[in-house]
Amino acid sequence: KAGVTQTPRYLIKTRGQQVTLSCSPISGHRSVSWYQQTPGQGLQFLFEYFSETQRNKGNFPGRFSGRQFSNSRSEMNVSTLELGDSALYLCASSLGTGHEKLFFGSGTQLSVL
Amino acid sequence: ILNVEQSPQSLHVQEGDSTNFTCSFPSSNFYALHWYRWETAKSPEALFVMTLNGDEKKKGRISATLNTKEGYSYLYIKGSQPEDSATYLCAFIPGTASKLTFGTGTRLQVTL
Repeated sequence: KAGVTQTPRYLIKTRGQQVTLSCSPISGHRSVSWYQQTPGQGLQFLFEYFSETQRNKGNFPGRFSGRQFSNSRSEMNVSTLELGDSALYLCASSLGTGHEKLFFGSGTQLSVL
Repeated sequence: ILNVEQSPQSLHVQEGDSTNFTCSFPSSNFYALHWYRWETAKSPEALFVMTLNGDEKKKGRISATLNTKEGYSYLYIKGSQPEDSATYLCAFIPGTASKLTFGTGTRLQVTL
């Protein structure tokens, strides 16, 4: 079965712009979570959506937002981009119980100039 | 903020060596502990999900143990091979429907 698909793969933006990243989970998975990876940092949790509702949120400013659609596809939006937002953004899908493993997408590498 | 710590930060071993890493997490509440392998230019891939104190999981040459009472998990690799070179991440969940908190990982390099 198809894996987790993230688009776009690479993105270059300038400060002040906004960006939307997309994540299509594995069919049947209801949970989509988003993570930020920067050099020297572990995977930082952004938020998790389960059945179109935000179930958990990490410690990121309000410029970072997301949503999930009825088909479980999820989008993440970052407004007013800052240089420090340059990172690899990964999404992961799962059934959502916490007892099963996450399946990660290939990520979106965002560069903010 | 949950503290999930992994040690060592990095490790360099020779092919054929056996090695192990540690993941430490708060012992007060426990729901599950995940292990992932993240190879360069690839996505993190799940190794194990551990849920019970005393759990032992095995996948080929890799195995893991769990002690929820003292808050740690060990990952063992027997007879390391160059293809085992990767960053190994653990992630902790304190309660049902809680978020995963990842450690910063142990970077393993296996040379011939």
